[in-house]
Amino acid sequence: DAKTTQPPSMDCAEGRAANLPCNHSTISGNEYVYWYRQIHSQGPQYIIHGLKNNETNEMASLIITEDRKSSTLILPHATLRDTAVYYCIVRSNFGNEKLTFGTGTRLTIIP
Amino acid sequence: NAGVTQTPKFRVLKTGQSMTLLCAQDMNHEYMYWYRQDPGMGLRLIHYSVGEGTTAKGEVPDGYNVSRLKKQNFLLGLESAAPSQTSVYFCASRKTGTPKNIQYFGAGTRLSVL
Repeated sequence: DAKTTQPPSMDCAEGRAANLPCNHSTISGNEYVYWYRQIHSQGPQYIIHGLKNNETNEMASLIITEDRKSSTLILPHATLRDTAVYYCIVRSNFGNEKLTFGTGTRLTIIP
Repeated sequence: NAGVTQTPKFRVLKTGQSMTLLCAQDMNHEYMYWYRQDPGMGLRLIHYSVGEGTTAKGEVPDGYNVSRLKKQNFLLGLESAAPSQTSVYFCASRKTGTPKNIQYFGAGTRLSVL
């Protein structure tokens, strides 16, 4: 799995877009970028993933740079319920079953 | 559609006691997993199953046993609980043919061993 670097914490005003960065400069060609979040006292929740194209679903958008060395998760209109720890994971779809989370970014949505 | 359900939500044990954690999923997923989460350690895989009747060890299997007698259930057993097993336990599942990195998690079981 490629090493990822995320800021330890971020704040965002309610209703604004939350942009969470992730650096993964050692990413290899067959590795995807996955994002999960963990709301306090709950299990991790899958958000979105991508390989090289930008992706959007009902929860978020994922922007991956052209060189794939970094990405940004965008929550377009953040609500208080989006307060959570967000994890960026970079790994291929092969290999072992173990899903490993780093330290993530603690996102706080400010009313 | 409940997804992944874990019971109990909380439990306190004394050292040496045994207990079983139950994970049930209603999504007809083939793969099921048990993780533990400790402060500063992240998630660690205990055991997993690739289908009914099968189990496999993860990275921290010692002190735990598992069984997958029915496709929808995955049981995690502690035969003789130790304080080091105080943790939050998460169950997860995924469907065959989907990326192995997309797993659906339950709400967790908070276990304290005194």
